[in-house]
Amino acid sequence: QKEVEQDPGPLSVPEGAIVSLNCTYSNSAFQYFMWYRQYSRKGPELLMYTYSSGNKEDGRFTAQVDKSSKYISLFIRDSQPSDSATYLCAMSAGYGGSQGNLIFGKGTKLSVKP
Amino acid sequence: EAQVTQNPRYLITVTGKKLTVTCSQNMNHEYMSWYRQDPGLGLRQIYYSMNVEVTDKGDVPEGYKVSRKEKRNFPLILESPSPNQTSLYFCASRAGHLYEQYFGPGTRLTVT
Repeated sequence: QKEVEQDPGPLSVPEGAIVSLNCTYSNSAFQYFMWYRQYSRKGPELLMYTYSSGNKEDGRFTAQVDKSSKYISLFIRDSQPSDSATYLCAMSAGYGGSQGNLIFGKGTKLSVKP
Repeated sequence: EAQVTQNPRYLITVTGKKLTVTCSQNMNHEYMSWYRQDPGLGLRQIYYSMNVEVTDKGDVPEGYKVSRKEKRNFPLILESPSPNQTSLYFCASRAGHLYEQYFGPGTRLTVT
């Protein structure tokens, strides 16, 4: 079993739809959970960050972490064509040394149609 | 502007011809890392460095070397490239006490 599982998609939705992206993980030591967005031909950029369990909201984006189920989600409300990108979940056990190394999901390719 | 730069952005080479991909950051970050990104496999860490002269293997280090002689630079060296190293490579950096990693624009390498 891979440490982090993420459905690669592709996922195609109409503009204005609510998008749900998910990852599951197996390592119970993970405490830091991130979502990166990667546009075509670009490097990943940090979108959302959550420590331990709970929700975090930033504009149209909401990140959720359920440590008991080892499951994280990213919701995008009122999706826009500019949200079309690959979304990568990432997680780590800590900051220092190898604990700070990020483990990435494979990424979900999202396309939002006008 | 805070950034991570990589050079070259695109490289086509032949098997066995040594090459170096440079990475530089202007944010005085302690931590730097190299990843490769392949379809169906996602981002995998090759090597990382916690500070000058401190490097360690990531998940897929075979066939690669790195060095960290200066804080801002972290070159990736392929001494004898092979076709299975054809990939998209990313350099990243972060401050040692923070979580956010900044990625470079990527280097697309093709080994024939």
